[in-house]
Parts: sequence; structure tokens; C-alpha cells
Amino acid sequence: KNQVEQSPQSLIILEGKNCTLQCNYTVSPFSNLRWYKQDTGRGPVSLTIMTFSENTKSNGRYTATLDADTKQSSLHITASQLSDSASYICVVSAQSNTGKLIFGQGTTLQVKP
Amino acid sequence: DVKVTQSSRYLVKRTGEKVFLECVQDMDHENMFWYRQDPGLGLRLIYFSYDVKMKEKGDIPEGYSVSREKKERFSLILESASTNQTSMYLCASRQGDWGEAFFGQGTRLTVV
Repeated sequence: KNQVEQSPQSLIILEGKNCTLQCNYTVSPFSNLRWYKQDTGRGPVSLTIMTFSENTKSNGRYTATLDADTKQSSLHITASQLSDSASYICVVSAQSNTGKLIFGQGTTLQVKP
Repeated sequence: DVKVTQSSRYLVKRTGEKVFLECVQDMDHENMFWYRQDPGLGLRLIYFSYDVKMKEKGDIPEGYSVSREKKERFSLILESASTNQTSMYLCASRQGDWGEAFFGQGTRLTVV
């Protein structure tokens, strides 16, 4: 069964600190993996996409990694800001003409001053 | 600026009412989706559509139906609303299995 699992479920850090969110997946055949950020009461917005051949990709203070062999991805946030407080959702696409997505449960990040 | 627009941000309906949630996208995407999001459960797929007039059940279709008469519009219908359908509903669209999924702002539905 296609599944995506994220850890931790929630995280509290102080402003300026770094953190890393984890995602493990069992999705086949794998197409790509995206990290989404969802602010409270809003729809998710894509931060970055990872394909099978990519190991690392950065988007400002966000850096995503992918290990296709172990089927693990991480999202590292550097020098956190209060505006980083949100849910971060790992979303995996299988190769399919229907475009279905498999969602992780999300990690809720709270950045405190 | 690409956009997925849901007709309402907040909605309060009575038990037994028929409820329509509308979603419109302006990106000419083939695939459209309806999810509900509940605390601790993440996003769960209700229905999706990969073409006009085509629809497929997702993981939790019971109590819902959908309509896609035009490519840009995907409607979610609650035939007889119940209190356990109180939730945040999110519409999304994407092209193929590669493109980014774009989400609407969500509709928070409360059934009383």
C-alpha cells in the first residue's frame, strides 16, 4: 500500500534556530516528492520538488534532500523565523495518468520568539 | 498568477441539507481533486476527476458526490449533510503526475 509517514508530528523551536523534518515513503512507481507548507486556515503551497535523480534542492532557507534508495526525504529549515510557523506536508506522486497524490500527516512547526 | 478558487471560505449548514461546494481553476489542468482535512488525520481524498465528466472515488467517498461538466469546474456535493461532515474541504488541481498541485484557500464547513 502506498504510504507516506512524517516525523515528528509537532515541533517547537526558538526563532533563529534550525530544524529538520523527516519523511519516509513507500510509493511505487515513484514519480516525485514535494514538500508543501500550509499556514493555518489556508491551502497548502509547494516549497520544493524532488525527483528520483536529485539529492538536494534549496529554496531560500529551505533545503530538501531525497534518498531514493532508502525512500527518505528531509526538509531542513535554517535560521527559523516566526513566519515559518505552519504545517509542513510531504506529498509523493506515483507515476499515473490520474495525478493522484499520497499525503503524509504533516509536521506542525511552531517558532517561538 | 495561477489560481484555484473555492466559492466559500466559511459555510454553516443544517443537518439534512444538500450542500454544494464549488471549485474553479484557471490553469487548464486535467486533474482536479477534493480533499477533507481533519486534525490528526491529514488530507484525505474524497473524489477526483482526470477529465470532463470523468470521476473516480477516493479513499472516503461515502456521503459525497461530484460533478465535472466543464474542465475548469469541479463541484463537491453533500447529498444530506451530517455533523460528521464538519471539516475543512480543500480543492486542488494539477497537470499529469508531474505538475505542482495548486490548492484553493479551503472551505470550512460546519454542519449543525
